[in-house]
Amino acid sequence: NAGVTQTPKFQVLKTGQSMTLQCAQDMNHNSMYWYRQDPGMGLRLIYYSASEGTTDKGEVPNGYNVSRLNKREFSLRLESAAPSQTSVYFCASSRTTSGSIYEQYFGPGTRLTVT
Amino acid sequence: AQKVTQAQTEISVVEKEDVTLDCVYETRDTTYYLFWYKQPPSGELVFLIRRNSFDEQNEISGRYSWNFQKSTSSFNFTITASQVVDSAVYFCALETGNQFYFGTGTSLTVIP
Repeated sequence: NAGVTQTPKFQVLKTGQSMTLQCAQDMNHNSMYWYRQDPGMGLRLIYYSASEGTTDKGEVPNGYNVSRLNKREFSLRLESAAPSQTSVYFCASSRTTSGSIYEQYFGPGTRLTVT
Repeated sequence: AQKVTQAQTEISVVEKEDVTLDCVYETRDTTYYLFWYKQPPSGELVFLIRRNSFDEQNEISGRYSWNFQKSTSSFNFTITASQVVDSAVYFCALETGNQFYFGTGTSLTVIP
């Protein structure tokens, strides 16, 4: 099993450009998440999807959109990149049952620089 | 509002010393989960432990132990006889209502 995979690993964008970060998991997890990690800030939740077909905003959703394409895939789109979106982006997935949340499995991260 | 505070930004210890990483959380929800993750210098995030709000039993796993106290809203992590491989950033996280809230992390350096 590959676990959680993310593409690309690195990306440099110019201000105003758009791009989509891809994430896939092969663990049959219901829930998927996108985080950003900035120095001194820990991980902050951007969007999450509790199940196929649903998405919800996290703590820092502005400037991002997401798509839960199917149970395996959850993409994050930056429509018009800004330097403030320079960060490391992590995708994660977790198993959930009614009333219980289990640990998250994280992808290797995407290091994005916006100039 | 939900919040996780890891007041210790950086800690250095000499190998074989014990070290405790503090985590204090805030939530008004009665049902929630607490987690610890490790992020070694290679950058990946590794799950260490999960605890739900109804289970205050302390847990020990090898050199690692966790102390959950609802009365003080704390979920502290102790490494006994630290090793160089324990050098990493450690994150405490709170889950409630399908949302996860991470602390800012504690960077642990174990000096040989």
